[in-house]
Amino acid sequence: QSVLTQPPSVSGAPGQRVTISCTGSSSNIGAGYDVHWYQQLPGTAPKLLIYANNNRPSGVPDRFSGSKSGTSASLAISGLQAEDEADYYCQSYDNSLNYVFGTGTKVTVL
Amino acid sequence: EVQVLESGGGLVQPGGSLRLSCAASGFNFNNNAMTWVRQAPGKGLEWVASISGSGGSTFNADSVKGRFVISRDNSKNALFLQMNSLRAEDTAVYYCARARGSGSHQFYSFDYWGQGTLVTVSS
Repeated sequence: QSVLTQPPSVSGAPGQRVTISCTGSSSNIGAGYDVHWYQQLPGTAPKLLIYANNNRPSGVPDRFSGSKSGTSASLAISGLQAEDEADYYCQSYDNSLNYVFGTGTKVTVL
Repeated sequence: EVQVLESGGGLVQPGGSLRLSCAASGFNFNNNAMTWVRQAPGKGLEWVASISGSGGSTFNADSVKGRFVISRDNSKNALFLQMNSLRAEDTAVYYCARARGSGSHQFYSFDYWGQGTLVTVSS
């Protein structure tokens, strides 16, 4: 059972904006630790999408953005495209559990 | 180009042992922490273990503590995961990843991942 909770699924039409929440607690996100986001396309390894709350690695489109507030974080995908259909995971650090991942969210492009 | 490549997965009986390896290239290996993350079939990501660049500090998830040992050989740019007393619930794809970040390890993300190696624990 992960300590970071995400919605199981979100969906949107091409071009729309979708957001994925990542809810933690005072022992992880609320303790000030950074939140990172990963994209996992079907049948492939995870890929770092956002690091340190709101930073994009080189090559990640600016359609992807991250934010963090209090004990939660969010990933936003604007201008949704078919190739964005994937599983998305948040990740942070917990004072008791070390590194933790979110429960994962499947994004479907309608 | 940064690359990490896992090997060593396979079928093993419950209670058995397996040693995973990860070959790294394209970066200064001994300056970087490394980690193992696993994913059970149809499930989410689970952090398994991490090791500092020097190898002097290691961290394990509670689910594998006392059974799995992470280690590295900086002379060979290699990371290892020795898995003992394997259980059916250890069945997963195991990924090797580089851990990076500014400041202390609590703020690290995992920026380069291998393709994974499948470990199946079954009789």
